[in-house]
Amino acid sequence: GAVVSQHPSRVICKSGTSVKIECRSLDFQATTMFWYRQFPKQSLMLMATSNEGSKATYEQGVEKDKFLINHASLTLSTLTVTSAHPEDSSFYICSARDPPGEVNEQFFGPGTRLTVL
Amino acid sequence: GQNIDQPTEMTATEGAIVQINCTYQTSGFNGLFWYQQHAGEAPTFLSYNVLDGLEEKGRFSSFLSRSKGYSYLLLKELQMKDSASYLCAPQDSNYQLIWGAGTKLIIKP
Repeated sequence: GAVVSQHPSRVICKSGTSVKIECRSLDFQATTMFWYRQFPKQSLMLMATSNEGSKATYEQGVEKDKFLINHASLTLSTLTVTSAHPEDSSFYICSARDPPGEVNEQFFGPGTRLTVL
Repeated sequence: GQNIDQPTEMTATEGAIVQINCTYQTSGFNGLFWYQQHAGEAPTFLSYNVLDGLEEKGRFSSFLSRSKGYSYLLLKELQMKDSASYLCAPQDSNYQLIWGAGTKLIIKP
């Protein structure tokens, strides 16, 4: 299957700093990428849908000014957590959907564990 | 509203068979995915059903009944490495995946 990479895999930062997470589709072009957050023992929560060349669509309750998403190319989307606070500590996962076809499967990156002190 | 219902946790024995059931309600339907997620890792794709019936893939099979809003994942010849959470995720009319909390499967020797 297709490969999606995420960087960094783990980050620890001080409260008030900003953290950027990169999501790359390595062997296919992804017009749509998704950003999820998952707290321990809870389900994946969709934060936003990122479309190449246009503004991201945020889910209800997700602050767009706090979670900045940029999808500048067909293989790269970035999520920046601005002014991070301890409650932002979570597992952030991106996924990319392959071009329209039979399955429309989402391929997931390995995730980024964010810890805000 | 949109809803997924799966058992929270199941326990099975190595070498046995286990069936994980999922019922769902979505706004429109564009297929259903099953993903496996090990603790601390991202989900990995297991199967996709868009038509009614059984899809078999090695030790894993997935079944779908669209009229009943029901799917199951069948795991055969269980191995210890199958201990993980299994996520049933139907896709709605906007091709968004709807996620539940998943079923944590514990395999005992």
